[in-house]
Amino acid sequence: GAGVSQSPSNKVTEKGKDVELRCDPISGHTALYWYRQSLGQGLEFLIYFQGNSAPDKSGLPSDRFSAERTGGSVSTLTIQRTQQEDSAVYLCASSLASPNEQFFGPGTRLTVL
Amino acid sequence: AQSVTQPDIHITVSEGASLELRCNYSYGATPYLFWYVQSPGQGLQLLLKYFSGDTLVQGIKGFEAEFKRSQSSFNLRKPSVHWSDAAEYFCAVGAPGAGSYQLTFGKGTKLSVIP
Repeated sequence: GAGVSQSPSNKVTEKGKDVELRCDPISGHTALYWYRQSLGQGLEFLIYFQGNSAPDKSGLPSDRFSAERTGGSVSTLTIQRTQQEDSAVYLCASSLASPNEQFFGPGTRLTVL
Repeated sequence: AQSVTQPDIHITVSEGASLELRCNYSYGATPYLFWYVQSPGQGLQLLLKYFSGDTLVQGIKGFEAEFKRSQSSFNLRKPSVHWSDAAEYFCAVGAPGAGSYQLTFGKGTKLSVIP
């Protein structure tokens, strides 16, 4: 079956612009995660959605970052007023009800000029 | 909060040689443990996982890992490395009962394979 998909695969933007990154999880997976992978920082947890529960936003680095998950499926990560330090690969993962294996998408490489 | 240490940033082995990648974790109880592999430009693929039970876990691609509670370790092993194993390997821990099941990753170990 189809895996986790993310779009766009690459995004180049100018400092100060807003960007939206999309994640389509595996059908039937109730849990969805966003991570950020950057040089020197490794993989960092950003946010977690589980079903209809309130998301765990404890990993979001600032209030410029937000995410939503519509209809329990597709998720969008929004970064407002992008900064150069936001440049990273943003990875999305999904899983069946936790604890369980997280399946990762290929990521979106964000470059902020 | 849990943490993960992968002490080796980069390892180079010859094809056919054995491999051991180290992972140490910090957590107050027995965590969930994972090894993922990432090839250049790709997402992460799960190699194996430990939740409970037998402490020697078999995974895909001929990899295995052993959970040692006394050493807080979950080292990844492979008896004979293939050139296609060249990639970056990440150890990760999840905290049972934490409610979020987010994973905490180590910084990764990059594996190079000499033909």
